Amino acid sequence: RKEVEQDPGPFNVPEGATVAFNCTYSNSASQSFFWYRQDCRKEPKLLMSVYSSGNEDGRFTAQLNRASQYISLLIRDSKLSDSATYLCVAHGSSNTGKLIFGQGTTLQVKP
Amino acid sequence: DAGVTQSPTHLIKTRGQQVTLRCSPKSGHDTVSWYQQALGQGPQFIFQYYEEEERQRGNFPDRFSGHQFPNYSSELNVNALLLGDSALYLCASSLGIEQYFGPGTRLTVT
Repeated sequence: RKEVEQDPGPFNVPEGATVAFNCTYSNSASQSFFWYRQDCRKEPKLLMSVYSSGNEDGRFTAQLNRASQYISLLIRDSKLSDSATYLCVAHGSSNTGKLIFGQGTTLQVKP
Repeated sequence: DAGVTQSPTHLIKTRGQQVTLRCSPKSGHDTVSWYQQALGQGPQFIFQYYEEEERQRGNFPDRFSGHQFPNYSSELNVNALLLGDSALYLCASSLGIEQYFGPGTRLTVT
């Protein structure tokens, strides 16, 4: 079983739609979680950090359920520019150590 | 404020050769982590350097080694290159919990 699992998609949605990505992690000792966005052939960019039950930043909402070891990312009012791969990430047992990445979920927003 | 920088951007090497990749962290950051990203996969952790010491290591063979300098910049060395080492190599710097990535070095082994 992979340490961080995501549905690779692709998710194809129209502009203005609401889309949700789910992610599960296996290490119950992980304390910090992140969503990174990665455009084609570019580096991952930090989108949101999730340390407690959730975080909201504009159109983006991340939620964490420690009991179920589950993280989600909700994108409201999708824009064409949201098209990218979204990586679910967990810290290992140490909050300053390695990041464990999921495979990534591809989102394509269409006009 | 300069972000994380890496050099070179692209590199083509032959099987059996050795390669050195370089990373300069974001200003104020003291920790550098290296990741390998194969096509269609998430990045895989190679190792992390802090205070010029390897603090943590992922599941990579000894052919992968690194170094951190007093100015916090870092190098990743790979010996005896294999075709399977072809990937995007990403450097991330941090001061605490959040890691910020450089643009990566795309290594092709032929």
